[in-house]
Amino acid sequence: KAGVTQTPRYLIKTRGQQVTLSCSPISGHRSVSWYQQTPGQGLQFLFEYFSETQRNKGNFPGRFSGRQFSNSRSEMNVSTLELGDSALYLCASGAPGVNEQFFGPGTRLTVL
Amino acid sequence: QKEVEQNSGPLSVPEGAIASLNCTYSDRVSQSFFWYRQYSGKSPELIMSIYSNGDKEDGRFTAQLNKASQYVSLLIRDSQPSDSATYLCAVNGGDYKLSFGAGTTVTVRA
Repeated sequence: KAGVTQTPRYLIKTRGQQVTLSCSPISGHRSVSWYQQTPGQGLQFLFEYFSETQRNKGNFPGRFSGRQFSNSRSEMNVSTLELGDSALYLCASGAPGVNEQFFGPGTRLTVL
Repeated sequence: QKEVEQNSGPLSVPEGAIASLNCTYSDRVSQSFFWYRQYSGKSPELIMSIYSNGDKEDGRFTAQLNKASQYVSLLIRDSQPSDSATYLCAVNGGDYKLSFGAGTTVTVRA
Protein backbone atom coordinates (compact mmCIF):
# COMPACT_ATOMS: atom_id res chain seq x y z
CA LYS A 1 0.00 0.00 0.00
CA ALA A 2 1.24 3.45 -0.77
CA GLY A 3 1.75 5.69 2.23
CA VAL A 4 0.42 9.14 2.93
CA THR A 5 1.49 11.62 0.29
CA GLN A 6 1.80 15.35 0.70
CA THR A 7 2.39 18.04 -1.86
CA PRO A 8 4.32 20.16 -2.23
CA ARG A 9 7.23 19.02 -0.12
CA TYR A 10 8.77 22.48 0.16
CA LEU A 11 7.31 25.95 -0.12
CA ILE A 12 8.74 29.42 0.24
CA LYS A 13 6.26 32.25 0.61
CA THR A 14 6.35 35.86 1.76
CA ARG A 15 4.36 37.46 4.54
CA GLY A 16 0.79 38.21 3.62
CA GLN A 17 0.50 35.53 0.98
CA GLN A 18 -1.68 32.48 1.28
CA VAL A 19 -0.80 28.84 0.78
CA THR A 20 -2.64 25.58 0.12
CA LEU A 21 -1.19 22.23 1.11
CA SER A 22 -2.50 18.89 -0.07
CA CYS A 23 -2.64 15.45 1.52
CA SER A 24 -3.68 12.10 0.10
CA PRO A 25 -4.27 9.45 2.77
CA ILE A 26 -3.45 5.78 2.65
CA SER A 27 -5.95 3.93 0.48
CA GLY A 28 -8.99 3.01 2.58
CA HIS A 29 -8.24 5.55 5.30
CA ARG A 30 -10.98 8.10 5.81
CA SER A 31 -9.59 10.13 8.68
CA VAL A 32 -7.10 12.87 7.90
CA SER A 33 -5.44 15.00 10.56
CA TRP A 34 -3.12 17.96 10.21
CA TYR A 35 -0.35 18.95 12.59
CA GLN A 36 2.15 21.78 12.74
CA GLN A 37 5.65 21.04 13.98
CA THR A 38 8.06 23.77 15.08
CA PRO A 39 11.21 23.58 17.19
CA GLY A 40 9.66 25.75 19.88
CA GLN A 41 6.15 24.33 20.13
CA GLY A 42 6.65 20.76 18.98
CA LEU A 43 3.81 18.92 17.29
CA GLN A 44 0.49 20.71 17.56
CA PHE A 45 -2.88 19.52 16.32
CA LEU A 46 -4.59 21.67 13.71
CA PHE A 47 -7.74 19.75 12.71
CA GLU A 48 -9.16 16.35 11.85
CA TYR A 49 -11.56 15.37 9.09
CA PHE A 50 -13.59 12.25 8.54
CA SER A 51 -15.97 11.77 5.63
CA GLU A 52 -15.69 15.45 4.70
CA THR A 53 -16.63 16.59 8.24
CA GLN A 54 -14.34 18.40 10.62
CA ARG A 55 -14.58 16.54 13.91
CA ASN A 56 -12.06 18.52 15.94
CA LYS A 57 -10.03 21.67 15.65
CA GLY A 58 -6.97 22.82 17.55
CA ASN A 59 -6.18 26.22 18.99
CA PHE A 60 -5.08 28.00 15.86
CA PRO A 61 -6.36 31.29 14.44
CA GLY A 62 -9.01 31.34 11.74
CA ARG A 63 -6.31 31.92 9.13
CA PHE A 64 -5.82 28.17 9.24
CA SER A 65 -8.56 26.23 7.53
CA GLY A 66 -9.01 22.88 5.91
CA ARG A 67 -11.36 20.67 4.02
CA GLN A 68 -11.73 17.10 2.93
CA PHE A 69 -13.05 15.82 -0.36
CA SER A 70 -15.24 12.81 -1.07
CA ASN A 71 -12.17 10.75 -2.03
CA SER A 72 -10.70 11.49 1.45
CA ARG A 73 -8.00 13.75 0.07
CA SER A 74 -7.56 16.84 2.20
CA GLU A 75 -6.25 20.34 1.82
CA MET A 76 -5.29 22.92 4.35
CA ASN A 77 -5.05 26.61 3.67
CA VAL A 78 -3.21 29.33 5.53
CA SER A 79 -4.11 32.88 4.64
CA THR A 80 -2.22 36.08 5.38
CA LEU A 81 0.98 34.24 6.19
CA GLU A 82 3.10 35.36 9.13
CA LEU A 83 6.75 34.65 9.84
CA GLY A 84 5.67 32.41 12.72
CA ASP A 85 3.83 30.12 10.32
CA SER A 86 7.16 28.74 9.14
CA ALA A 87 6.98 25.09 10.12
CA LEU A 88 6.75 21.51 9.01
CA TYR A 89 3.10 20.73 8.27
CA LEU A 90 2.28 17.09 8.70
CA CYS A 91 -0.72 15.15 7.55
CA ALA A 92 -1.68 11.85 9.14
CA SER A 93 -4.28 9.33 8.07
CA GLY A 94 -6.17 6.70 10.00
CA ALA A 95 -8.36 3.76 9.16
CA PRO A 96 -12.01 3.67 10.27
CA GLY A 97 -12.39 2.49 13.85
CA VAL A 98 -8.65 2.48 14.48
CA ASN A 99 -6.86 5.14 16.52
CA GLU A 100 -3.44 4.71 14.94
CA GLN A 101 -2.34 7.56 12.72
CA PHE A 102 0.32 7.36 10.03
CA PHE A 103 2.18 10.44 8.95
CA GLY A 104 3.13 11.66 5.52
CA PRO A 105 6.53 13.17 4.74
CA GLY A 106 5.33 16.69 5.49
CA THR A 107 5.45 20.03 3.75
CA ARG A 108 8.21 22.38 4.84
CA LEU A 109 6.85 25.93 4.69
CA THR A 110 9.18 28.88 4.96
CA VAL A 111 7.70 32.35 5.27
CA LEU A 112 10.04 35.23 4.47
CA GLN B 1 0.49 21.90 32.99
CA LYS B 2 1.23 20.32 29.64
CA GLU B 3 -1.02 17.49 28.56
CA VAL B 4 1.82 15.11 27.75
CA GLU B 5 5.26 15.34 29.32
CA GLN B 6 8.36 13.36 28.49
CA ASN B 7 11.74 13.13 30.17
CA SER B 8 13.56 15.92 28.46
CA GLY B 9 16.79 14.20 27.55
CA PRO B 10 18.90 14.08 25.58
CA LEU B 11 19.55 10.47 26.43
CA SER B 12 22.88 8.94 25.50
CA VAL B 13 23.33 5.18 25.80
CA PRO B 14 26.10 2.82 24.67
CA GLU B 15 25.41 0.35 21.91
CA GLY B 16 23.77 -2.77 23.27
CA ALA B 17 22.32 -1.07 26.35
CA ILE B 18 18.69 -0.46 27.26
CA ALA B 19 17.23 2.97 26.59
CA SER B 20 14.32 3.89 28.85
CA LEU B 21 11.89 6.63 27.86
CA ASN B 22 9.13 7.94 30.07
CA CYS B 23 5.92 9.83 29.45
CA THR B 24 3.14 11.11 31.71
CA TYR B 25 -0.21 12.47 30.67
CA SER B 26 -2.77 14.61 32.44
CA ASP B 27 -6.12 13.57 30.94
CA ARG B 28 -7.50 10.56 32.80
CA VAL B 29 -9.92 9.71 29.99
CA SER B 30 -7.07 9.08 27.55
CA GLN B 31 -7.62 5.81 25.76
CA SER B 32 -4.81 5.16 23.32
CA PHE B 33 -1.10 5.66 23.61
CA PHE B 34 1.56 5.70 20.94
CA TRP B 35 5.28 6.01 20.47
CA TYR B 36 6.64 7.58 17.32
CA ARG B 37 10.23 7.71 16.18
CA GLN B 38 11.40 10.74 14.24
CA TYR B 39 14.75 10.89 12.52
CA SER B 40 16.22 14.31 11.90
CA GLY B 41 14.58 15.93 8.89
CA LYS B 42 11.96 13.19 8.58
CA SER B 43 8.36 12.76 9.66
CA PRO B 44 7.26 10.72 12.70
CA GLU B 45 7.01 6.97 12.24
CA LEU B 46 4.67 4.91 14.41
CA ILE B 47 6.62 2.22 16.25
CA MET B 48 4.33 1.15 19.11
CA SER B 49 0.73 1.48 20.16
CA ILE B 50 -0.71 0.36 23.49
CA TYR B 51 -4.28 0.47 24.73
CA SER B 52 -4.45 -1.52 27.98
CA ASN B 53 -2.44 -1.68 31.18
CA GLY B 54 0.66 -3.81 31.15
CA ASP B 55 3.47 -4.50 28.76
CA LYS B 56 3.47 -4.89 25.00
CA GLU B 57 6.55 -6.18 23.24
CA ASP B 58 7.48 -5.83 19.58
CA GLY B 59 10.97 -6.93 18.70
CA ARG B 60 13.44 -4.87 20.68
CA PHE B 61 10.75 -2.44 21.81
CA THR B 62 8.57 -2.78 24.90
CA ALA B 63 5.83 -0.33 25.78
CA GLN B 64 4.44 -0.21 29.31
CA LEU B 65 1.19 1.44 30.33
CA ASN B 66 -0.11 2.26 33.79
CA LYS B 67 -3.37 4.15 33.54
CA ALA B 68 -3.72 4.56 37.31
CA SER B 69 -0.42 6.42 37.41
CA GLN B 70 -1.06 8.05 34.00
CA TYR B 71 2.28 6.81 32.83
CA VAL B 72 3.54 5.18 29.67
CA SER B 73 7.09 4.15 28.89
CA LEU B 74 9.16 2.72 26.08
CA LEU B 75 12.15 0.45 26.50
CA ILE B 76 14.58 -0.11 23.66
CA ARG B 77 16.66 -3.21 24.29
CA ASP B 78 20.01 -3.91 22.63
CA SER B 79 20.17 -0.32 21.41
CA GLN B 80 21.71 0.17 17.97
CA PRO B 81 23.14 3.32 16.36
CA SER B 82 20.14 3.23 14.02
CA ASP B 83 17.92 3.85 17.07
CA SER B 84 19.39 7.34 17.39
CA ALA B 85 16.36 9.58 16.88
CA THR B 86 13.77 11.64 18.71
CA TYR B 87 11.02 9.58 20.31
CA LEU B 88 7.61 11.16 20.65
CA CYS B 89 4.93 10.04 23.07
CA ALA B 90 1.38 10.63 21.83
CA VAL B 91 -1.93 10.28 23.61
CA ASN B 92 -5.42 10.03 22.14
CA GLY B 93 -8.22 11.14 24.42
CA GLY B 94 -11.02 9.90 22.19
CA ASP B 95 -11.51 13.31 20.62
CA TYR B 96 -9.96 12.50 17.25
CA LYS B 97 -6.64 14.19 17.99
CA LEU B 98 -3.23 13.16 19.20
CA SER B 99 -1.50 15.20 21.90
CA PHE B 100 2.27 14.93 21.71
CA GLY B 101 5.04 15.31 24.19
CA ALA B 102 8.06 17.42 23.33
CA GLY B 103 10.08 14.33 22.51
CA THR B 104 13.21 12.72 23.90
CA THR B 105 16.32 12.64 21.74
CA VAL B 106 18.23 9.39 22.02
CA THR B 107 21.83 8.96 20.91
CA VAL B 108 23.31 5.48 20.80
CA ARG B 109 27.09 5.56 21.10
CA ALA B 110 28.94 2.94 19.06
